[in-house]
Amino acid sequence: KNEVEQSPQNLTAQEGEFITINCSYSVGISALHWLQQHPGGGIVSLFMLSSGKKKHGRLIATINIQEKHSSLHITASHPRDSAVYICAVMRRGGSNYKLTFGKGTLLTVNP
Amino acid sequence: EAQVTQNPRYLITVTGKKLTVTCSQNMNHEYMSWYRQDPGLGLRQIYYSMNVEVTDKGDVPEGYKVSRKEKRNFPLILESPSPNQTSLYFCASSPLGPGEQYFGPGTRLTVT
Repeated sequence: KNEVEQSPQNLTAQEGEFITINCSYSVGISALHWLQQHPGGGIVSLFMLSSGKKKHGRLIATINIQEKHSSLHITASHPRDSAVYICAVMRRGGSNYKLTFGKGTLLTVNP
Repeated sequence: EAQVTQNPRYLITVTGKKLTVTCSQNMNHEYMSWYRQDPGLGLRQIYYSMNVEVTDKGDVPEGYKVSRKEKRNFPLILESPSPNQTSLYFCASSPLGPGEQYFGPGTRLTVT
């Protein structure tokens, strides 16, 4: 079993729909990242969070440390949101940090 | 413009021929990292550096070397590339520790 599991693997939505992407992990973490990878391959960091909730525009990320689960929500989705969304967990051991990634969720938003 | 640059962007090489992929950032970031991305496996961390002269292994360091002699540069060295190192490579940096990272554009490497 992978340390970081994302669901769904693929998601197709109509413009305007509310979208949820889930990330579950099995290890103790210091923080969790959400990344966006555009169709051209470029990667953008969306959020880093260690508790609670963060919001940026139409994007909302939540994390429940006790349940080892995070969600990324997109409100009023738009075709330009079509991308791969990747969850990554950061583990810290002393002065060492490691990032482990989920396999990503491919989101397609149709007009 | 704040950015992370990688060179080359595309490279086709042969087994055993040493190569270096450069990574440079102009944001005075302390943390830099290398990742590889493969279909079905996603992103995996190769090496990272918390600061100058401080490097550490990620999850897949075998076959790679790195150095951090100055803050802005973090080259990835493949001493003897093999076909299983064919991949898309990303360099990234962040101000302090692996926080919200700035990614380079990627280097697509093919080893024949």
